[in-house]
Amino acid sequence: NAGVTQTPKFQVLKTGQSMTLQCAQDMNHEYMSWYRQDPGMGLRLIHYSVGAGITDQGEVPNGYNVSRSTTEDFPLRLLSAAPSQTSVYFCASSPDRASGNTIYFGEGSWLTVV
Amino acid sequence: AQKITQTQPGMFVQEKEAVTLDCTYDTSDQSYGLFWYKQPSSGEMIFLIYQGSYDEQNATEGRYSLNFQKARKSANLVISASQLGDSAMYFCAMRGQGGSEKLVFGKGTKLTVNP
Repeated sequence: NAGVTQTPKFQVLKTGQSMTLQCAQDMNHEYMSWYRQDPGMGLRLIHYSVGAGITDQGEVPNGYNVSRSTTEDFPLRLLSAAPSQTSVYFCASSPDRASGNTIYFGEGSWLTVV
Repeated sequence: AQKITQTQPGMFVQEKEAVTLDCTYDTSDQSYGLFWYKQPSSGEMIFLIYQGSYDEQNATEGRYSLNFQKARKSANLVISASQLGDSAMYFCAMRGQGGSEKLVFGKGTKLTVNP
């Protein structure tokens, strides 16, 4: 079982560059989310999706774009990278809204913007 | 708005002793869920335990138990018989009526288990 797969695991970007963090899940989950984790902070929600074609903003959406063209994939795009976007990014998926122990996290993507 | 507060930035415990990690929450939702995750130095998020707001009994998973006090809005994690491998960051998180796609996390507690 692949679960939730994030790529790349590590990336260094220059200020102003754009890139896409990929997230794929093979469990046919409707609900997917992107979080960022900064030093000394818990995870904060960037964007989320409740199904293919449906996305919405979370707590810290500025500078990021998402789309959900398929159930499996939920890419996160950095439009013009800034040093403030240096962070660890986590993708998560779940099969239903009232999940208890069935929220699956990817292994994280470490992004440095210089 | 939902909020999770973890007031202990760091905790130390001797191996084989029990430790309690504090978590208080704030929500106006009637239905919600509370989670604890472990994050070792390797960085992955490991699910430990879940408590639903309507669950009458405190959740337990092996050495982990959740001390749920609804009136006080607290959901403390108790780890019994600490092991060296328990050294990690621990995060409390909440799912409100907004659903599992929108978890709110606390800032975490760094637990160090001493031999």
